[in-house]
Amino acid sequence: DQQVKQNSPSLSVQEGRISILNCDYTNSMFDYFLWYKKYPAEGPTFLISISSIKDKNEDGRFTVFLNKSAKHLSLHIVPSQPGDSAVYFCAASAGYNQGGKLIFGQGTELSVKP
Amino acid sequence: DTEVTQTPKHLVMGMTNKKSLKCEQHMGHRAMYWYKQKAKKPPELMFVYSYEKLSINESVPSRFSPECPNSSLLNLHLHALQPEDSALYLCASSQGTGGAEQYFGPGTRLTVT
Repeated sequence: DQQVKQNSPSLSVQEGRISILNCDYTNSMFDYFLWYKKYPAEGPTFLISISSIKDKNEDGRFTVFLNKSAKHLSLHIVPSQPGDSAVYFCAASAGYNQGGKLIFGQGTELSVKP
Repeated sequence: DTEVTQTPKHLVMGMTNKKSLKCEQHMGHRAMYWYKQKAKKPPELMFVYSYEKLSINESVPSRFSPECPNSSLLNLHLHALQPEDSALYLCASSQGTGGAEQYFGPGTRLTVT
């Protein structure tokens, strides 16, 4: 039972263009969503989050969009840079209801080509 | 400062050994977590400590024993592990357990021989 799904295992984008990473979820109790970036043999690095009361959150080159009715969120990176190449994990939390437990998607490996 | 530190970086142990993983944060966070990550897979939650008390145990085998000596430290004691326990063990912390960002350490790469 995969409550958080990232259906694209990999994505390749040209430097300077937009990268769009997608994530779907099934549990309507999720109220907080996060994106993490992970390099090999390192811990995940927090990128950006969004609460379920918002539909958009922006931080520099990173924007997360949330569509609650479709149970879908996406991460936009503009412009993409070679240093953005990493595995991106979407995660969801039901907050106090689940004691802070994060449910992670399977990850999307982004490759930004110069 | 969003740093979580973990020691050791790498650990090789036999199935009869006893070892411990250590995690430290100085961000004043009151929740700390242990995750296990296998290659090409997402992190899987093992334990959650909230205000130094164990609040979640995700049915982890007893050969893994967590300990939270104080609000800044989290240990994971290992005993009689199996080769399939080889993985990257990640520690994380957050301000609380409700809708807060979790900050991860670099992990300990554990190999059980």
